[in-house]
Amino acid sequence: DAGVIQSPRHEVTEMGQEVTLRCKPISGHNSLFWYRQTMMRGLELLIYFNNNVPIDDSGMPEDRFSAKMPNASFSTLKIQPSEPRDSAVYFCASSLVDSNQPQHFGDGTRLSIL
Amino acid sequence: SQQGEEDPQALSIQEGENATMNCSYKTSINNLQWYRQNSGRGLVHLILIRSNEREKHSGRLRVTLDTSKKSSSLLITASRAADTASYFCATATGGKLIFGQGTELSVKP
Repeated sequence: DAGVIQSPRHEVTEMGQEVTLRCKPISGHNSLFWYRQTMMRGLELLIYFNNNVPIDDSGMPEDRFSAKMPNASFSTLKIQPSEPRDSAVYFCASSLVDSNQPQHFGDGTRLSIL
Repeated sequence: SQQGEEDPQALSIQEGENATMNCSYKTSINNLQWYRQNSGRGLVHLILIRSNEREKHSGRLRVTLDTSKKSSSLLITASRAADTASYFCATATGGKLIFGQGTELSVKP
């Protein structure tokens, strides 16, 4: 079975540009999570969806960040405009809607904002 | 905000030795999970222990949970060089996981 697929794996862009990160969850999973990982702050939950509906976006740092899940097999995380402090590794994870289920992570997008 | 605090932050051992990592947390939980992260990769789920369980085993892994002390430990027995990775505890509260800062384990051949 295919795991969680994220694209691109690496992104380098100039400050001020729009950045779009993509995620395809595991088929059949109905919860999707976006995380950000940095050395300073560790792994932070940004937002999560159940059945394509955003449930908790309290981790989204500011209005420059937005996330959508138009259907069960696709989600995007957008940063507009991007800033150097957004540089991090962004992970997508999926699971079944049940807190007693493990989350399955993609290999992340390493984002560098110059 | 980080709920889990892990100890130690880094651990270096020889192949064949046991590795113990500890995790403390602050609020009530549904379960506690342990994940491994190899360099440049995503997190991989290792084991889940529910709040009403005290100990769980999976292969060379042993996890304990003490809800009265709000703490958990992960023991890896007979470590191998391939166990070199970062290990994270995560507490499940509501529908989400809160991750600790992780323990970086290095197993020398």
